[in-house]
Amino acid sequence: NAGVTQTPKFRVLKTGQSMTLLCAQDMNHEYMYWYRQDPGMGLRLIHYSVGEGTTAKGEVPDGYNVSRLKKQNFLLGLESAAPSQTSVYFCASRTGGQNIQYFGAGTRLSVL
Amino acid sequence: EDQVTQSPEALRLQEGESSSLNCSYTVSGLRGLFWYRQDPGKGPEFLFTLYSAGEEKEKERLKATLTKKESFLHITAPKPEDSATYLCAVQAAQGGSEKLVFGKGTKLTVNP
Repeated sequence: NAGVTQTPKFRVLKTGQSMTLLCAQDMNHEYMYWYRQDPGMGLRLIHYSVGEGTTAKGEVPDGYNVSRLKKQNFLLGLESAAPSQTSVYFCASRTGGQNIQYFGAGTRLSVL
Repeated sequence: EDQVTQSPEALRLQEGESSSLNCSYTVSGLRGLFWYRQDPGKGPEFLFTLYSAGEEKEKERLKATLTKKESFLHITAPKPEDSATYLCAVQAAQGGSEKLVFGKGTKLTVNP
């Protein structure tokens, strides 16, 4: 049982490049989330999904897009990366009951 | 706007020296308060959920309590392996209840 798996673990991009972060969960969870964590800022919600085929904006959605085509996968896209998007990105998932979120190990992204 | 403030930002303890971490919150109706532990280079790991004032939960050397304005995470006789960043989060009862709002965390270091 792997839980929540994020790929890649590390990535370096140049300004203007695009990339997709993949989050996969094997717990049959309905809800999935993408956060970013910056020093001194805490975890901030980017986008989330309440079920397959749905997405919604969080606190800091600008510059990111998401898709939830399959229940087990939640993709985070950066169309044109900017240095301000340098951060650690965490994916989380949970069931439809209590809001106990299970987190992946994170993706460390640097945009030069 | 829902807000979570954690104090202190950092805390150093000697092994066996008990202390408490504070989480103050402002939320439009509390649906739940959550404590997570985060080790360096890893994603947050769920510890406790509290739902109503007066509620307490315990796990090994940790005990979480809740009032109408704040929560405390009491650490009794800590060990070096308790060193981590402890995150507090709240879920509002109204509007966007699928989301958690996180504090910036308290970094705990326990010296042997």
